Amino acid sequence: GQNIDQPTEMTATEGAIVQINCTYQTSGFNGLFWYQQHAGEAPTFLSYNVLDGLEEKGRFSSFLSRSKGYSYLLLKELQMKDSASYLCAVRDLGGYGQNFVFGPGTRLSVLP
Amino acid sequence: ETGVTQSPTHLIKTRGQQVTLRCSSQSGHNTVSWYQQALGQGPQFIFQYYREEENGRGNFPPRFSGLQFPNYSSELNVNALELDDSALYLCASSLGSGTNTGELFFGEGSRLTVL
Repeated sequence: GQNIDQPTEMTATEGAIVQINCTYQTSGFNGLFWYQQHAGEAPTFLSYNVLDGLEEKGRFSSFLSRSKGYSYLLLKELQMKDSASYLCAVRDLGGYGQNFVFGPGTRLSVLP
Repeated sequence: ETGVTQSPTHLIKTRGQQVTLRCSSQSGHNTVSWYQQALGQGPQFIFQYYREEENGRGNFPPRFSGLQFPNYSSELNVNALELDDSALYLCASSLGSGTNTGELFFGEGSRLTVL
C-alpha cells in the first residue's frame, strides 16, 4: 500500500530552525518532493530528492534516505511568511505516469 | 510563460447534480493530473492524462471522469455529487517523465461545496 506520515502541526519561533520529518512506504519510488501550501492557495514546489543525501536551496534543505523511507525538510532563519502547510510527496513509478502520493501535510506556525 | 489556470474558482452544487471543472495547463506541459484536497488533508490523486489518454487513476469511483484536449487543457467531470465530494480540486501540469525533475505545477484550485 501507499502510506506517507508527517506530523500534523509544528510551532517554531521567528529566526529559529525547524525540521519537518516524513516517512513513507510506497509501492514504487521515483523521487521525493516537498511542497509549500499557504492557506487557500495552491501548493508550490520547494525541493526534490531522488538520491540519498542532502539538497540545499537557500534557507531550505531536504534530506533523503531511501533505505529508511525517510526524508526531512529543514527550514533555517524562519520568517513569519514561512507559516504554511508543508506537503511531503512521493512520485510513484510507472511509464509516463507521474502519480504523486501526498502526505497529510504539516501545518507550521511561526511565532514572533 | 503562462501558469496553470482553473475555472471556476468557487461553486456550490446540490447532491445528485453534475459538475465540470476546467484547467489550462502551463505552456509546453503535456501531462495534466487532478487531485482532490479535503480540508486539512493532503491532495489525493484522482487521475492523470498524457497526450489525451488517461494513464493513471487513483482510488476514485467511475463517476469521476475526465478529458484532455489537443491543446493539453483538461476537464474533470463529477456525476451524482455527494456531500463528501466537497473539497478543493487541484489541477497540476507537468512535462512527461525524463525531463527535469518533473515536478507538478498547480493551479489555484476549484473549491466545490455540495449541499
